[in-house]
Amino acid sequence: GIQVEQSPPDLILQEGANSTLRCNFSDSVNNLQWFHQNPWGQLINLFYIPSGTKQNGRLSATTVATERYSLLYISSSQTTDSGVYFCAVAGWRDDKIIFGKGTRLHILP
Amino acid sequence: EAQVTQNPRYLITVTGKKLTVTCSQNMNHEYMSWYRQDPGLGLRQIYYSMNVEVTDKGDVPEGYKVSRKEKRNFPLILESPSPNQTSLYFCASSLDPGVNQPQHFGDGTRLSIL
Repeated sequence: GIQVEQSPPDLILQEGANSTLRCNFSDSVNNLQWFHQNPWGQLINLFYIPSGTKQNGRLSATTVATERYSLLYISSSQTTDSGVYFCAVAGWRDDKIIFGKGTRLHILP
Repeated sequence: EAQVTQNPRYLITVTGKKLTVTCSQNMNHEYMSWYRQDPGLGLRQIYYSMNVEVTDKGDVPEGYKVSRKEKRNFPLILESPSPNQTSLYFCASSLDPGVNQPQHFGDGTRLSIL
């Protein structure tokens, strides 16, 4: 099946800093999503982005499908951005959804 | 309000005692799935369903059963729970995994099997 790798596994930043999270996947995909898991454990959709670039406020994402990676950018980080960010993909061969192991982000005040 | 509802939110039980975690969605979604989340492993898909009476194994189906008798409900059944099934479980739904529709997650069920 598809392998999904996220990097870095952990990231500690000061409030106001920018960050880039990466998601690599091993096969072509027809679905790629980014999620944020907040400290209360809730999973929040950030982007559905199997290709191209999207922006939502301070967050943006780019997926380069031909090179099998996606990037999540967070600008001007706030403490409320802390939590774990997951990338999840679905391939063309079946309807399984595979998650990466996540990047844990700590934003310090 | 569009939502995915899981019950119970927390459960402590003993090895071998059958349990069911319910999941219901009110968005008329075709696709529903169950995940377990364990430290260091991220979320792993247990089972998924593309529609009523259609279910398929995810990556970690052993020890679990599901059913999809109605579109809105997708219960997760542990016939004989064991301690290695202690985990945080999430149910999710979406219109279809291959179209531009996000997955909606329930708030999670924390299961402890003693």
